[in-house]
Amino acid sequence: SQTIHQWPATLVQPVGSPLSLECTVEGTSNPNLYWYRQAAGRGLQLLFYSVGIGQISSEVPQNLSASRPQDRQFILSSKKLLLSDSGFYLCAWSTPSGRAFAFFGPGTRLTVL
Amino acid sequence: AQTVTQSQPEMSVQEAETVTLSCTYDTSENNYYLFWYKQPPSRQMILVIRQEAYKQQNATENRFSVNFQKAAKSFSLKISDSQLGDTAMYFCAFMYDGAGSYQLTFGKGTKLSVIP
Repeated sequence: SQTIHQWPATLVQPVGSPLSLECTVEGTSNPNLYWYRQAAGRGLQLLFYSVGIGQISSEVPQNLSASRPQDRQFILSSKKLLLSDSGFYLCAWSTPSGRAFAFFGPGTRLTVL
Repeated sequence: AQTVTQSQPEMSVQEAETVTLSCTYDTSENNYYLFWYKQPPSRQMILVIRQEAYKQQNATENRFSVNFQKAAKSFSLKISDSQLGDTAMYFCAFMYDGAGSYQLTFGKGTKLSVIP
């Protein structure tokens, strides 16, 4: 069966510090990978998605970036965090073709102070 | 672009009763998937039920069922025999089934409270 991992689970960072959140998927090959952000009391906003290694599409221009160095690894980064980057970050995967599924990781709660 | 609308920001239901959450969507596509996700206080998104647009039969998963009306672009979730553990935010989501990446478009959510 497929599983998706995210770490860290919780992170408190000062404004201006760098960020690296990691997501890995097990039990599937060539998944589509996604980063979503959920601000307090709001819905989910798609930040980035990837259909393959090194292929990243950005949905919202901001100071965040994403990378996919391996087939089942997706990383969300920032060089300098802003207060507005606080939120709950969710990684998700879906099948690349055919029957579409979308499963989410446990999430990372980021607080920028 | 696809949009998903959940018109009920909050709902409540008595334990053991039945509740229906509404969702409408707007798309020009013919092939797509619809989902209901549950987000309990732990905030992990849990897939509740999934419907393929090409299937006329409504999906069911134990106490959860949907009423999928493709022409009306409506996709409601019915929870039968509500339990305290059903208390959560519920999100309706749309995914286009076509070439390229499959991106989920979410509604703003409905907060469901099950009252003992």
